[in-house]
Amino acid sequence: EAGVAQSPRYKIIEKRQSVAFWCNPISGHATLYWYQQILGQGPKLLIQFQNNGVVDDSQLPKDRFSAERLKGVDSTLKIQPAKLEDSAVYLCASSLIPTYEQYFGPGTRLTVT
Amino acid sequence: GNSVTQMEGPVTLSEEAFLTINCTYTATGYPSLFWYVQYPGEGLQLLLKATKADDKGSNKGFEATYRKETTSFHLEKGSVQVSDSAVYFCALSGGGGTSYGKLTFGQGTILTVHP
Repeated sequence: EAGVAQSPRYKIIEKRQSVAFWCNPISGHATLYWYQQILGQGPKLLIQFQNNGVVDDSQLPKDRFSAERLKGVDSTLKIQPAKLEDSAVYLCASSLIPTYEQYFGPGTRLTVT
Repeated sequence: GNSVTQMEGPVTLSEEAFLTINCTYTATGYPSLFWYVQYPGEGLQLLLKATKADDKGSNKGFEATYRKETTSFHLEKGSVQVSDSAVYFCALSGGGGTSYGKLTFGQGTILTVHP
C-alpha cells in the first residue's frame, strides 16, 4: 500500500513570496490533516478535512494560509505572503476515518529567508 | 484546551539501559493517548496507543500505561538499542471540545543511544 505522498520535499523562498504544497493521501482515506512543525516543537494541526469539507481550521492563519481538497482526494496548502516565522516542516497525514490511525507523509521543509 | 507536556530532553543512554520518558496531559473527557516516533530522515510513525484508563499500549519492547488518576502516559523500555535513537512525541486525541482525530502533540524528546 502506497503511503502519503508530499511534494516538494524542500522549498526555500524569500519573505513576501507565495508557496504551495501538495499532498496525496492513502487511497480511500476520507480524513486529511495538515500540521505545522516548527523546529524543536511538536506538530500543530492547521486544518482537518473530512472528504472535501473542512472539519477544523481554528489554528489556520487565514489571512495568509489557505487549503483546499478538491474531489476529496489530493490537497494543497498555500501561503501568501510568507513570513520568516513560517519556516517549518509541513506535514500531511491521512486516516480512514477520524478515529483511526493517522499515517504521516515525509513532510515539506520550508525555509523563508 | 488540550495540552501535552513531555520531560525535558535530550536523553542520552548507553545500550541496554532502561528508558523512561515522562508525559503528562491536560484534557477534558476521555482522550486517547499515543506515542509517535520519528527516526532520522523519516516521517512520524505511530509507536503505540491506549484508548481508555488503565490500558497498556506496547510495541517493539516499548510500553506505556494510561493513568487517568495522574493524567500520565509515560513511555518505558527495559533495554534500549542504538536503533532506538529517534525523537519521541507524546500526543492525545479526542476528549471534550475538540474535533475527533485532531492530535495534540508534546514538544518531543530526542533520545540518543550509544553503543
